[in-house]
Amino acid sequence: DAGVIQSPRHEVTEMGQEVTLRCKPISGHDYLFWYRQTMMRGLELLIYFNNNVPIDDSGMPEDRFSAKMPNASFSTLKIQPSEPRDSAVYFCASSLGRLTFGYTFGSGTRLTVV
Amino acid sequence: DAKTTQPNSMESNEEEPVHLPCNHSTISGTDYIHWYRQLPSQGPEYVIHGLTSNVNNRMASLAIAEDRKSSTLILHRATLRDAAVYYCILRDGPNFGNEKLTFGTGTRLTIIP
Repeated sequence: DAGVIQSPRHEVTEMGQEVTLRCKPISGHDYLFWYRQTMMRGLELLIYFNNNVPIDDSGMPEDRFSAKMPNASFSTLKIQPSEPRDSAVYFCASSLGRLTFGYTFGSGTRLTVV
Repeated sequence: DAKTTQPNSMESNEEEPVHLPCNHSTISGTDYIHWYRQLPSQGPEYVIHGLTSNVNNRMASLAIAEDRKSSTLILHRATLRDAAVYYCILRDGPNFGNEKLTFGTGTRLTIIP
């Protein structure tokens, strides 16, 4: 199993541009999570899906952020327009959604908005 | 949600056991105790979890106090690769509809060669 796959690993973009982060969860996992990590705020949950349906998006910072999961093997997190304060490492994770199982995280996408 | 308290940082010598404490005085009877760690430049990684009894796996052991108000993650023989931030997290058992995993600030473990 290749684990949770995120792309790109690094993204540098100019303020105002659209950014799309991608995630492929582990096959068979029915939950998918998007987290953001910064030095100031630590790891924050942005949104999570169950069976491709968004369940809780209360962590999405503002309308500039949107996430989709068109099928069980793919999810995107989009920022439009991007701002310098969006610079962070964005992690995707997936799980079987049962208490006795852990989450598996991807390696993250480091986003820098200049 | 019940909260956890961990020391900001700890140091340990290589090849010695490490005991990472976590206080969770407001834990409810149905909260599971989970531990994750985050190695440098990587995503968090599941380590171990437990409810009431002590637990062992290939990575670590989890010792849970009898009153469940505290727990200790034990690395039996620390290596340089164990240098990471360790997070202690409570997850509500019956609340299966809520899959949120909320990370605190964790303990930064430094291994001294």
